[in-house]
Amino acid sequence: EVQLVQSGAEVKKPGESLKISCKGFGYIFASYWVGWVRQVPGKGLEWMGNIYPGDSDTRYSPSFQGQVTISADESINTAYLQWTSLAASDTAIYYCASQRTGNSFDYWGQGTLVSVSS
Amino acid sequence: QSALTQPASVSGSPGQSITISCTGTRGDVGNYYLVSWYQQHPGKAPKIMIYEVDKRPSGVSNRFSGAKSGNTASLTISGLQAEDEGDYFCCSYAGSTTWVFGGGTKVTV
Repeated sequence: EVQLVQSGAEVKKPGESLKISCKGFGYIFASYWVGWVRQVPGKGLEWMGNIYPGDSDTRYSPSFQGQVTISADESINTAYLQWTSLAASDTAIYYCASQRTGNSFDYWGQGTLVSVSS
Repeated sequence: QSALTQPASVSGSPGQSITISCTGTRGDVGNYYLVSWYQQHPGKAPKIMIYEVDKRPSGVSNRFSGAKSGNTASLTISGLQAEDEGDYFCCSYAGSTTWVFGGGTKVTV
């Protein structure tokens, strides 16, 4: 069974750093793109970027380029999303999703809530 | 890279059909047959309903269908049921391994 399991909710202060994870199960993780999607509570979905774990080829949305870093470790089937300096505006749910079918986001993680407040 | 345009809300009665539109540009919806649709219930992760404009993943009801004409894609839900209530998002490939989502549509039954 294909699954993406994300790390747990985080509560951080502005200026702090953070790295959240997304571990894939049940498929060849290295062979398919993994995307990260932001959802501010009550708002829509925003594509942040994608990574191909097999060679770490990474693409970013212009809106998130330079604001976050996406990485992966194919040896442990895990993708990461990280910030060096969080802001209150980063408060959101972050989803990872695999792209195994037709250039779509076919399997989703359960989401990681990131709360940033002083 | 602007978000795709969707109506904020669509409503219908049980058994009726509704259609949600998703308008993009020649750089995304109009140029690729790679539009997908996602259903999201409150507090849950999105679920894929349609990919490559009109294909249904295994397990998705055939009451859901997709189409595209020019820069606009659409999702039709026929035989509307209470369980279809939720938010629906379209997504399109936009070239160079980038994607763009729509703003979302709240469906009320």
